[in-house]
Amino acid sequence: GAVVSQHPSWVICKSGTSVKIECRSLDFQATTMFWYRQFPKQSLMLMATSNEGSKATYEQGVEKDKFLINHASLTLSTLTVTSAHPEDSSFYICSAGGGPLYGYTFGSGTRLTVV
Amino acid sequence: DAKTTQPTSMDCAEGRAANLPCNHSTISGNEYVYWYRQIHSQGPQYIIHGLKNNETNEMASLIITEDRKSSTLILPHATLRDTAVYYCIVRAAGGSQGNLIFGKGTKLSVKP
Repeated sequence: GAVVSQHPSWVICKSGTSVKIECRSLDFQATTMFWYRQFPKQSLMLMATSNEGSKATYEQGVEKDKFLINHASLTLSTLTVTSAHPEDSSFYICSAGGGPLYGYTFGSGTRLTVV
Repeated sequence: DAKTTQPTSMDCAEGRAANLPCNHSTISGNEYVYWYRQIHSQGPQYIIHGLKNNETNEMASLIITEDRKSSTLILPHATLRDTAVYYCIVRAAGGSQGNLIFGKGTKLSVKP
């Protein structure tokens, strides 16, 4: 089945620094990937849609200059949290897949802690 | 996309069947019912999906009512590892790929 690899699994960074999270589709090509954020005891919230070779589409309220998304190839999308602050601490999850008819595959998530 | 309603939490004894209900009374004719689950601190895992016929795979069975306004996910022999939050999502098929919108889901606790 489809496998999505997300790296790193967890990261701790200092306030003001930037953190890059990678999402790779291992055995399929993904023209579109999705980035979600999940705060403790809450559900997943879509942040942005990553499109290969073009600009990402951000959900309302998500700062595109703070959460930089690059989807330079059919198997890799990256999310960079720039100038991270403690309120950015969260669980970030990416997904990709065969579309609505086949279900989506999610990465294992990245736990970001900003201190 | 149609909205879904699920119970906040459920308990199930280990080895027994877990039946998780979902209401989706405003579902449209071209919308599928998807089920995902999220084990603590992991990414969601796809379980099953269906349009109008009942579906079964190695993980679970999906029973959709004839009017399609509700469905039930059945884990036939629940184990402790099935403890997770289960999400019922309704999504149209076809066209461009789109995101999944997650509600609050049902927290299933499987107890020994």
